[in-house]
Amino acid sequence: GAGVSQSPSNKVTEKGKDVELRCDPISGHTALYWYRQSLGQGLEFLIYFQGNSAPDKSGLPSDRFSAERTGGSVSTLTIQRTQQEDSAVYLCASSRRDSRSLQETQYFGPGTRLLVL
Amino acid sequence: AQKITQTQPGMFVQEKEAVTLDCTYDTSDPSYGLFWYKQPSSGEMIFLIYQGSYDQQNATEGRYSLNFQKARKSANLVISASQLGDSAMYFCAMREGRVTSYDKVIFGPGTSLSVIP
Repeated sequence: GAGVSQSPSNKVTEKGKDVELRCDPISGHTALYWYRQSLGQGLEFLIYFQGNSAPDKSGLPSDRFSAERTGGSVSTLTIQRTQQEDSAVYLCASSRRDSRSLQETQYFGPGTRLLVL
Repeated sequence: AQKITQTQPGMFVQEKEAVTLDCTYDTSDPSYGLFWYKQPSSGEMIFLIYQGSYDQQNATEGRYSLNFQKARKSANLVISASQLGDSAMYFCAMREGRVTSYDKVIFGPGTSLSVIP
């Protein structure tokens, strides 16, 4: 079946512009995560959605970052007034949540490479 | 505070040899899960192996095994019979069982492995 998809795959923008990054999780997956990965670095947690529960926004670096998940499926990460330090790969992941298991594996999308000039 | 530590930014191993990638973690929660992911230069994140805090035996998946030392809070990944295709970044990750942080998976900074022919 289809995996996690993200669009666009690459985005170049000018400093100060707003950008929207999209994530389509695997069908039936109720958990969705956004991570940021700077060049040569690890994954930085940004935000997590689980079903109809309030999202865990504890990783968002500033109020310029926001995310929505419509209809429990597609998610959009919005970065307002982009800065050069926002340049990174933004990864989305989803997982099943039909059981309360610590072993639930995350399935990652290919990422969106954002470059802010 | 850093919850996942990977002290080896870069590692080299001869083809067909075994290699151990270190991971230590910090949690006060008795219930947690540990993951290892591989990220080749293509950027995709590939799940390798999982270890639960209550698992009695060390996890194994093909050439991958996890040396889990709970008292030392370490979960080292062992790759046996290294292949050229094993060259990649390797990330250790943890999910804690606390209700307030359940499902949030945090990642270590990664180790870059290069397999030498």
